[in-house]
Amino acid sequence: AQSVAQPEDQVNVAEGNPLTVKCTYSVSGNPYLFWYVQYPNRGLQFLLKYITGDNLVKGSYGFEAEFNKSQTSFHLKKPSALVSDSALYFCAVGGYSSASKIIFGSGTRLSIRP
Amino acid sequence: DTEVTQTPKHLVMGMTNKKSLKCEQHMGHRAMYWYKQKAKKPPELMFVYSYEKLSINESVPSRFSPECPNSSLLNLHLHALQPEDSALYLCASSQERSGSLNEQFFGPGTRLTVL
Repeated sequence: AQSVAQPEDQVNVAEGNPLTVKCTYSVSGNPYLFWYVQYPNRGLQFLLKYITGDNLVKGSYGFEAEFNKSQTSFHLKKPSALVSDSALYFCAVGGYSSASKIIFGSGTRLSIRP
Repeated sequence: DTEVTQTPKHLVMGMTNKKSLKCEQHMGHRAMYWYKQKAKKPPELMFVYSYEKLSINESVPSRFSPECPNSSLLNLHLHALQPEDSALYLCASSQERSGSLNEQFFGPGTRLTVL
């Protein structure tokens, strides 16, 4: 079985400061890991993914994520937050045998104050 | 074209109505998905189509009936819905590649209200 946890319902950061949104996962075998962002009344937008290779993955809008196998984590990061980054962020995990199915975390609301 | 489109944007229906949600993509993706999303919650997978064949049905009630007429289109037929079915319905698509799991591209969703 596969699962993903986002331990923080909300993260508040001042504009210009670095941000981190946490995600931990559980999956049999090698994981496929994704981050998506959702703005109000919109669909989800893909940010980045980890399949294999470098543990630091770079994605859209200046976001990056660090894969840590020993801690089974895939935290989303950005060096300098923008007010426009305020949105709902979902981590998702899938496995090799998941037959195209991915499981979403509960979501973390990111709020960037000016 | 890197877009998934969904129609209508909003739908209000009574419990005895029959309606359909439509989804279209022209990215050549051979996997298409329906999700249901309640407010402030993650999307819940309903159905997956792979090469126009239903590959996953997450024990969805029969009042929801999916259809994939061709590789670009995905429909969700609705009949005798309940008020608790009110939600944002999201369509997504992805490349289908053996041995790999690819990112999904989502449409903007249909906001459904059942009265």
